[in-house]
Amino acid sequence: ETGVTQSPTHLIKTRGQQVTLRCSSQSGHNTVSWYQQALGQGPQFIFQYYREEENGRGNFPPRFSGLQFPNYSSELNVNALELDDSALYLCASSLAGSRGTQYFGPGTRLLVL
Amino acid sequence: AQSVTQLGSHVSVSEGALVLLRCNYSSSVPPYLFWYVQYPNQGLQLLLKYTTGATLVKGINGFEAEFKKSETSFHLTKPSAHMSDAAEYFCAVSVERGNEKLTFGTGTRLTIIP
Repeated sequence: ETGVTQSPTHLIKTRGQQVTLRCSSQSGHNTVSWYQQALGQGPQFIFQYYREEENGRGNFPPRFSGLQFPNYSSELNVNALELDDSALYLCASSLAGSRGTQYFGPGTRLLVL
Repeated sequence: AQSVTQLGSHVSVSEGALVLLRCNYSSSVPPYLFWYVQYPNQGLQLLLKYTTGATLVKGINGFEAEFKKSETSFHLTKPSAHMSDAAEYFCAVSVERGNEKLTFGTGTRLTIIP
């Protein structure tokens, strides 16, 4: 059974640029959630995708957007990068109805200069 | 809205001693509760979870936690600490049905003293 994978592992961008992060969900899982973890903080919920539709969103601006594909993989896009977007971005997959049980990937560390 | 409070951002215990990491939650509906562990430069690994049923739940690596509704707590314990337990631990709650997002605490860094 393949776990959750994310790419790239590290990324450096400059302020104002755009970035796309990718996630492959665990086999059999149909729901993907994205979290932002700033240094020294707990993860913060960005949004969740189920059956290719956004299924809930946290307190993040519209420049954070996402996609889910028919194979349940997902992308997180961030436009107009700001310095405060520097963080570890975590993808988690789950099976709908699993009462919140989510399995996390290793994350993508984004540095915005 | 739900929230999680982890008391103690840093906890140090001696190898072989009891580990106790505290978590209290706030929720207006029955919660689902989780503990995750994060090793340096890695993602989160699920240690254990409470959804329904038995309030004492056992997880991986010898950890366990007890759901106490009257105290709104879900403290994590391990009888005997091992050096490999050194990591960051996060308590999380999920309450929304349909969109089961996780709300995390700020984390507790566990240090093991040889």
